[in-house]
Amino acid sequence: QVQLQESGPGLVKPSETLSLTCTVSGGSISHYYWSWIRQPPGKGLEWLGYVIYSGSTNYSPSLKSRVTISVDTSKNQFSLNMTSVTAADTAVYYCARVKSAWHHCFDYWGQGTLVTVSS
Amino acid sequence: EIVLTQSPGTLSLSPGERATLSCRASQRISSSYLAWYQQKPGQAPRLLIFGASNRATGTPDRFSGSGSGTDFTLTISRLEPEDFGTYYCQQYGSSPPYTFGQGTKLEIK
Repeated sequence: QVQLQESGPGLVKPSETLSLTCTVSGGSISHYYWSWIRQPPGKGLEWLGYVIYSGSTNYSPSLKSRVTISVDTSKNQFSLNMTSVTAADTAVYYCARVKSAWHHCFDYWGQGTLVTVSS
Repeated sequence: EIVLTQSPGTLSLSPGERATLSCRASQRISSSYLAWYQQKPGQAPRLLIFGASNRATGTPDRFSGSGSGTDFTLTISRLEPEDFGTYYCQQYGSSPPYTFGQGTKLEIK
């Protein structure tokens, strides 16, 4: 059974960089796409981007200038960096597996981690 | 960017009743690349339906998806107590960004 677990600071100061890591267990990170999705408190879901096991990426245009997603196949991990954060970036951040190359929906999710942007 | 609009915003029903949730897209979704998720408070979303009508592994057969083009529906034939929560549709038919609807909250009447 594939499991995903997010890790990283729960509190980030405005203008700083948010960094999260997702560790994949129970399966290889290879041959899949991997995404980050966020959900502000009480609101809906927003897709941030994905990374392919080869390292290729695709980002949401609205966040492309601030977001970097990378993969470390040796550690079975992928990561999210978001620069210049503001209070609007406060959200639960989920990592998720893209179901297949054809179906870019998300079949396995981490439990989510709340990141608060505040001084 | 494709905008997904879900209706109703809230649906109040009793166990055993039939639930019909709607998801309308601002543009045609190619190849019916639409998914449905269920989310309960404090939990991650759970994939229910992909490709508009295909049940994901572990999805009970009381859940069914239908539709094409711009109009899609999730139907729950007979509600069980564990079905209550918030449901989201997601499109992945166009080039990214992949987008989600704003959600329909299904609550116990």
